[in-house]
Amino acid sequence: QSVLTQPPSVSAAPGQKVTISCSGSSSNIGNNYVSWYQQLPGTAPKLLIYDNNKRPSGIPDRFSGSKSGTSATLGITGLQTGDEADYYCGTWDSSLSTWVFGGGTKLTVL
Amino acid sequence: QLQLQESGPGLVKPSETLFLTCTVSGASFSISDYYWGWIRQPPGEGLEWIGSIDYSGSTYYNPSLKSRVTISGDSSKKQFSLKLSSVTAADTAVYYCATTPTVTTGYYFNYWGQGTLVTVSS
Repeated sequence: QSVLTQPPSVSAAPGQKVTISCSGSSSNIGNNYVSWYQQLPGTAPKLLIYDNNKRPSGIPDRFSGSKSGTSATLGITGLQTGDEADYYCGTWDSSLSTWVFGGGTKLTVL
Repeated sequence: QLQLQESGPGLVKPSETLFLTCTVSGASFSISDYYWGWIRQPPGEGLEWIGSIDYSGSTYYNPSLKSRVTISGDSSKKQFSLKLSSVTAADTAVYYCATTPTVTTGYYFNYWGQGTLVTVSS
């Protein structure tokens, strides 16, 4: 059972938009910055979003992040088949004194 | 741009100690620029942070693993290592090394190794 809750799966058609939620508490998302990671099949995770809504160099602006209260959201627009992957949110948990990840969301582009 | 590469045995016997090394290469960097960490992923499951070490040697461990984990660094070799003692089948996972920038607003993992599968089995 992950401290951060993500939907197990989401799906959408190519070209459409999808959002992935990440729900936590005041000890983690509520008071710390959130990051998001994309894990393509058989590969290592890759940083997509950091500090809630910033994109590293090279990440297209189709990917966006936001945070409100104790929840965060990853948005992906203009879906491509290459976006099919597992997506994880993560942040520090001040009460547990540990880094925590969400359980991951599998994105299927139909 | 940094490159990280994990190395170590792919098979460890139950009750023994898992030992992995992460070798860092790439663009010029200062060891103080990052926290150096380990994350693992059991087959078909999610990510679990194991712990991190900073340039001064201070370590930060996941409380659930703290009693069995040791992370150390050798800046002269541009390497840092993971020791996990008394392993069981539950420690079977892909182990990743990853960096967290120190000069930043929040914390995140920006560079990752490709990962190495460690299986615990007799």
